[in-house]
Amino acid sequence: DGGITQSPKYLFRKEGQNVTLSCEQNLNHDAMYWYRQDPGQGLRLIYYSQIVNDFQKGDIAEGYSVSREKKESFPLTVTSAQKNPTAFYLCASSSQGKDSPLHFGNGTRLTVT
Amino acid sequence: AQTVTQSQPEMSVQEAETVTLSCTYDTSENNYYLFWYKQPPSRQMILVIRQEAYKQQNATENRFSVNFQKAAKSFSLKISDSQLGDTAMYFCAFMNPPNFGNEKLTFGTGTRLTIIP
Repeated sequence: DGGITQSPKYLFRKEGQNVTLSCEQNLNHDAMYWYRQDPGQGLRLIYYSQIVNDFQKGDIAEGYSVSREKKESFPLTVTSAQKNPTAFYLCASSSQGKDSPLHFGNGTRLTVT
Repeated sequence: AQTVTQSQPEMSVQEAETVTLSCTYDTSENNYYLFWYKQPPSRQMILVIRQEAYKQQNATENRFSVNFQKAAKSFSLKISDSQLGDTAMYFCAFMNPPNFGNEKLTFGTGTRLTIIP
């Protein structure tokens, strides 16, 4: 079955450490996205990529970095520069098209103490 | 920048009743797409229904339907014959026109819906 895999489901890190969240898709989608979800704030876009080796900042990119070396993979690194990294992170993908909905992974809950 | 507003943080309704969730948005575009996503306690995001702005007919998917009022920039979701499995967070989302590099969703803050047995 095609889908999006995010791992791990739960991640714990000490403050000051960088951490990378994994996102893999086998849907052959060109576009991939990272969203952050906080209580009462909905989903906010961190980074997105429309094609391999290219990506754009979303609304809250500060303190995050991404890479898109392969079509199937779009890892997100939460750096020590991110002031409030504890959140639920959702990865999504879509095919280029006029009304392509986003397909989401199951998310990663990151807790930084 | 587009904004999406969901003014009802929480709602509850008795099982089998009908409930309507509100969503308004702001855009200067004439063509765009609107979505409702459901997030149950498992936190998996599930597409409920979608609407293309240039289509006047309201979208329907089984018990789910929308009331799309383009002039008012309103996109409400109606759930008929509500079921316990409808308990979830519901997010309204807006997508820019399908130009390369511009296909990203902007979400509202969500409405937590509880179906009461």
